[in-house]
Amino acid sequence: EDQVTQSPEALRLQEGESSSLNCSYTVSGLRGLFWYRQDPGKGPEFLFTLYSAGEEKEKERLKATLTKKESFLHITAPKPEDSATYLCAVLAGYQKVTFGTGTKLQVIP
Amino acid sequence: EAGVAQSPRYKIIEKRQSVAFWCNPISGHATLYWYQQILGQGPKLLIQFQNNGVVDDSQLPKDRFSAERLKGVDSTLKIQPAKLEDSAVYLCASSLGTRYNEQFFGPGTRLTVL
Repeated sequence: EDQVTQSPEALRLQEGESSSLNCSYTVSGLRGLFWYRQDPGKGPEFLFTLYSAGEEKEKERLKATLTKKESFLHITAPKPEDSATYLCAVLAGYQKVTFGTGTKLQVIP
Repeated sequence: EAGVAQSPRYKIIEKRQSVAFWCNPISGHATLYWYQQILGQGPKLLIQFQNNGVVDDSQLPKDRFSAERLKGVDSTLKIQPAKLEDSAVYLCASSLGTRYNEQFFGPGTRLTVL
């Protein structure tokens, strides 16, 4: 069974304090890994797609990386508006999508 | 461009009642997904449509849940009868093509079953 585990469950940072979120996965035949941001009361918002080990994507203060067993979402000098739940999801096999439980990030001014 | 529309936004029902949710995807998006998100958990895929055909419904509790996508555009998800454990947010998402690519999510419908 495909498994996606995100850590930590919750993270509290001071504004400007850089950190990383982890997404580890156990799947058969990874076809893609995706990062989403979800604000309270809203649907997830797409951030990145990574397809192969070694790939990196950047967007503003966020950088996503992928290895054969895990992905990291690096947040550089976060701001309070970066506070949200960050979800990763994997696509494996025939169109099967599995989401992790998310990391709730709080950035304190 | 207009986003994914869902209605209603909130619904409260008694157990054993039935309920239906509606989703209108982004125009031109061939693939439509329904997810269930229980509080504190990640979204769980219930069903995926490619145009008006079902691609994956392996996690849909078919004894009580049903979904259809008429004419390959908007979709409805129905629960009949509802159970307490169905309390969750039901998210609809759409994407452009057959390959899994960027999904656009609607705001969700929050269902409370009493």
